Amino acid sequence: EDKVVQSPLSLVVHEGDTVTLNCSYEVTNFRSLLWYKQEKKAPTFLFMLTSSGIEKKSGRLSSILDKKELSSILNITATQTGDSAIYLCAVEAATDKLIFGTGTRLQVFP
Amino acid sequence: NAGVTQTPKFRILKIGQSMTLQCTQDMNHNYMYWYRQDPGMGLKLIYYSVGAGITDKGEVPNGYNVSRSTTEDFPLRLELAAPSQTSVYFCASSWTSATNEKLFFGSGTQLSVL
Repeated sequence: EDKVVQSPLSLVVHEGDTVTLNCSYEVTNFRSLLWYKQEKKAPTFLFMLTSSGIEKKSGRLSSILDKKELSSILNITATQTGDSAIYLCAVEAATDKLIFGTGTRLQVFP
Repeated sequence: NAGVTQTPKFRILKIGQSMTLQCTQDMNHNYMYWYRQDPGMGLKLIYYSVGAGITDKGEVPNGYNVSRSTTEDFPLRLELAAPSQTSVYFCASSWTSATNEKLFFGSGTQLSVL
C-alpha cells in the first residue's frame, strides 16, 4: 500500500529559528513530490520536486528530494509567526492521484 | 476570477440524512478531485474525475457518490450520513495530472454529522 509519512507531527519554535520538516514515502511508480502550506482553509502550493528537479528554493523556504532515501525535507530559515501553519507533503504514485501525509503542524511564537 | 467554488461552507446533518456538496470551477480544468481532511490528519482522496463523464474512486470512496456531467461541476453526494463522515471536504481541480500542474483548491466545506 502506498504510504506517505511526515515528521514531526508538531513543532513549536520561536521566531528566528530554523526548522526542518521531513517527508518519507513508500510508493510504486513515483512521479513527483509536492509540498503545501495550509493555514486556516485550503492548502496552497509551495514546491513540486521530480527526478529532474530535486531542489527548489523560494525566499526562506527550500526543499530537497532524496530519491535514494525516498524522502524529502522542507527547510524554513529565520522563521516568522506568519509561517505558522500545517505543512503537507503529497506524492504522486499512480497517474492522476496524490497521496497526502498527515502533515506537520508548525507553531512559531514571537 | 472565482477559481474553485464550494458550497455550502458549513453544514450540520443528522445521522441518515443525505446531502450534496457542490463544487464548480471556471478555469476549464479537466481534472477534478474531492478530498476529506479529518482533524489533525492529511487529505484523503474520495473520488476524482479526469473529464466530463469520467469518474473513479480514490482511497476512501465508501458512503459517497459523484457525477461529472459538465467540465465545470463535480458534486459529491452523501446518501446516508454517518458520524464517521464528519470532516472538512475540499474540492480541487487542475489542467492535467497533478504532477504537471499545481492543484487549485476550494475553500472547503465543514460537515458535522450528529
